[in-house]
Amino acid sequence: GQQVMQIPQYQHVQEGEDFTTYCNSSTTLSNIQWYKQRPGGHPVFLIQLVKSGEVKKQKRLTFQFGEAKKNSSLHITATQTTDVGTYFCAGSNSGNTPLVFGKGTRLSVIA
Amino acid sequence: GAVVSQHPSRVICKSGTSVKIECRSLDFQATTMFWYRQFPKQSLMLMATSNEGSKATYEQGVEKDKFLINHASLTLSTLTVTSAHPEDSSFYICSALGQGAEEHFGDGTRLSIL
Repeated sequence: GQQVMQIPQYQHVQEGEDFTTYCNSSTTLSNIQWYKQRPGGHPVFLIQLVKSGEVKKQKRLTFQFGEAKKNSSLHITATQTTDVGTYFCAGSNSGNTPLVFGKGTRLSVIA
Repeated sequence: GAVVSQHPSRVICKSGTSVKIECRSLDFQATTMFWYRQFPKQSLMLMATSNEGSKATYEQGVEKDKFLINHASLTLSTLTVTSAHPEDSSFYICSALGQGAEEHFGDGTRLSIL
């Protein structure tokens, strides 16, 4: 079945440093979504990427979808303590099939 | 924005008890809802897909008689953990599929079986 691999599993950064998490799918995706989960909280939808090579920005967050629609990345510029949490990518083969989640990258930001 | 309400948020009960968890889409209709289980520091594991008016589709390894799912209306799906045991202790999260194919998650239910 479809698998979504996400690296790194953990990342510790100093406040102000950049952070990137990478996601790879074993199959071509129709779309990829990114979620953030704070400790003790539930996943919160961040963004959805649909087009090959798509790049979207949300303030300090930059999301990319690969040309082959099998990989994606989330980059945070100049991390802040409020960025702490686990970032999950999740891919789907079509609009109505359930998402397959990566294992997540747990980000710690040291002030 | 789309809001999903999940209740209760926390349950502590004795082994052998059955526990019902409700998932409601408050401001949109959701023909499809999903139930996930999340162990500490791990990713979300899909348990089942709940479709309004039909039987749920369970993922491999998930016992349908253990985890009963009912999706009786376009805004409500329920998960009942029957005869719960300590190994069923986990964080259960539901999500509802929005129009844009993004999933909107409930706040989750932390289930502790003593």
